[in-house]
Amino acid sequence: EAQVTQNPRYLITVTGKKLTVTCSQNMNHEYMSWYRQDPGLGLRQIYYSMNVEVTDKGDVPEGYKVSRKEKRNFPLILESPSPNQTSLYFCASSWAGSTDTQYFGPGTRLTVL
Amino acid sequence: AQSVTQLDSQVPVFEEAPVELRCNYSSSVSVYLFWYVQYPNQGLQLLLKYLSGSTLVKGINGFEAEFNKSQTSFHLRKPSVHISDTAEYFCAVPEAAGNKLTFGGGTRVLVKP
Repeated sequence: EAQVTQNPRYLITVTGKKLTVTCSQNMNHEYMSWYRQDPGLGLRQIYYSMNVEVTDKGDVPEGYKVSRKEKRNFPLILESPSPNQTSLYFCASSWAGSTDTQYFGPGTRLTVL
Repeated sequence: AQSVTQLDSQVPVFEEAPVELRCNYSSSVSVYLFWYVQYPNQGLQLLLKYLSGSTLVKGINGFEAEFNKSQTSFHLRKPSVHISDTAEYFCAVPEAAGNKLTFGGGTRVLVKP
């Protein structure tokens, strides 16, 4: 089954404790991206990647890191999480970039205390 | 900077009534336009998209949208809603140059019996 998976689905952590949210897709998509969803703000793009070793900032990259060492994986790293990063995070992928249909993962709900 | 505005944050509607969700975008973005739907506790999925050609686009579940270049709008409509249409709806537009993707703030549709 074609899908985007994220782990963990739920995470409660404390300020400053490094964490990684994994994202994997099995559709051989070139483009992958991360979003955060906050009430009233919709989805805001954090980072995106056009291919292996090619990443770029979205609209809200501060406090986040990403890497794209393999085509299928695009982990999101919070090296020192803060409470304002409490949010619902989505990973998405597509064949041909932002002008193509995005396939979304199920989401990761992160709470930073 | 590009922007996508969804004018209504919430739209209550009775079952079998029509609904229209409004989306306006800044003219600096490309003319690829998307509507995504998020059912409760799920990720987003594509509802419909405009790439080129006819300005009236038909999507899944009886939804349609009309691209209006002069008004920079891409409003979503359904002539008769069902309880199962209760969800949040997002308009999304890629930037004209580059690979960012911008979402509107979302419109929450609550269908009442």
